[in-house]
Amino acid sequence: AAGVIQSPRHLIKEKRETATLKCYPIPRHDTVYWYQQGPGQDPQFLISFYEKMQSDKGSIPDRFSAQQFSDYHSELNMSSLELGDSALYFCASRGGTSYEQYFGPGTRLTVT
Amino acid sequence: GQSLEQPSEVTAVEGAIVQMNCTYQTSGFYGLSWYQQHDGGAPTFLSYNALDGLEETGRFSSFLSRSDSYGYLLLQELQMKDSASYFCAVRGRGNTPLVFGKGTRLSVIA
Repeated sequence: AAGVIQSPRHLIKEKRETATLKCYPIPRHDTVYWYQQGPGQDPQFLISFYEKMQSDKGSIPDRFSAQQFSDYHSELNMSSLELGDSALYFCASRGGTSYEQYFGPGTRLTVT
Repeated sequence: GQSLEQPSEVTAVEGAIVQMNCTYQTSGFYGLSWYQQHDGGAPTFLSYNALDGLEETGRFSSFLSRSDSYGYLLLQELQMKDSASYFCAVRGRGNTPLVFGKGTRLSVIA
């Protein structure tokens, strides 16, 4: 079965640079979530989209923005990167009446 | 707001049974999910309880008591590969995101 795809899997950036993370949800899933997970931490919700519209907003810094495109893939844009942005970034998708969120493999962002 | 509490670490012996607890304080509670996460990996869905009682899926069982705002995950016949972090997460209405607990790190020893 198709799973959530994220790219890139690893990304190394320097402080003050920008980064773009991509997420391709499971086909026919209408909701996409972005989570940030620091070392030894639980996943923290950043932002979500339902049917290409922003649905909920969590602890997403103003330096970050996200959108969902017509083909349902989503991108998380991160600017003015800081050392503290180093983390695993997960995308999850959910479809229909299912309560289960399916997580992608994550993008490991390292800011040096 | 929402908050969940889980013990930070649990150690258990291979072949044994382990129970990992989760207590929560939340508004708009619709259900409690459990996720497994190996180091560097993605959270993987294990179980979900919307109503009081026990849900069983193979070696994994999850329990919920809504009146006590309490749930637990039970793992039987522990295997070394079960060593991982286990997160409980509260689900709200509709498409609202999951709110995760801090997770319990399970170490299975021989």
